[in-house]
Amino acid sequence: GENVEQHPSTLSVQEGDSAVIKCTYSDSASNYFPWYKQELGKGPQLIIDIRSNVGEKKDQRIAVTLNKTAKHFSLHITETQPEDSAVYFCAASTGGGFKTIFGAGTRLFVKA
Amino acid sequence: NAGVMQNPRHLVRRRGQEARLRCSPMKGHSHVYWYRQLPEEGLKFMVYLQKENIIDESGMPKERFSAEFPKEGPSILRIQQVVRGDSAAYFCASSLSGTDQPQHFGDGTRLSIL
Repeated sequence: GENVEQHPSTLSVQEGDSAVIKCTYSDSASNYFPWYKQELGKGPQLIIDIRSNVGEKKDQRIAVTLNKTAKHFSLHITETQPEDSAVYFCAASTGGGFKTIFGAGTRLFVKA
Repeated sequence: NAGVMQNPRHLVRRRGQEARLRCSPMKGHSHVYWYRQLPEEGLKFMVYLQKENIIDESGMPKERFSAEFPKEGPSILRIQQVVRGDSAAYFCASSLSGTDQPQHFGDGTRLSIL
């Protein structure tokens, strides 16, 4: 069945450093790839997304890259800040009536 | 524009009782999704509904669990005869159209079974 693998499960960085989270997907028909940030006690919040006709997208300190051939996509956070500490989830979707598949999550710690 | 509203935020039930979780999607959204999350784990898909229709319920146990999204009113996730293993956070999300659109999540209902 469809699967999304996410690595690493835990990531610890110093404030100001960059953080990279990687995901691979199995369904080659996937065409929409959102990233969510979940803080303690809250629901996941969309932070950035990318569609299959685009290779890279950037929004201030956050960027996402997509390699359709290799079926993997990555989240890049530059100049990390303590408030970036949270759990991040990647996801992949084919649209239509098919469900969105989420990765298992990455717990990011940004040390001040 | 109000976001996705879930209630109650916390629900305590004894084994054998029924749990009813409510979700009001964002205004204009006709697609609703329910997910379950255990502590320190990811989001597990349960069911995908579009007004009055169940699109995909492949992630929802066939017994004791049901979901609906009526023409009027919130979406309801119902768990009958709850057991300890049902304890989890249940999140609802909504989108404007299908799954290739951003999903907006509520802050969840934390269900505890005594």
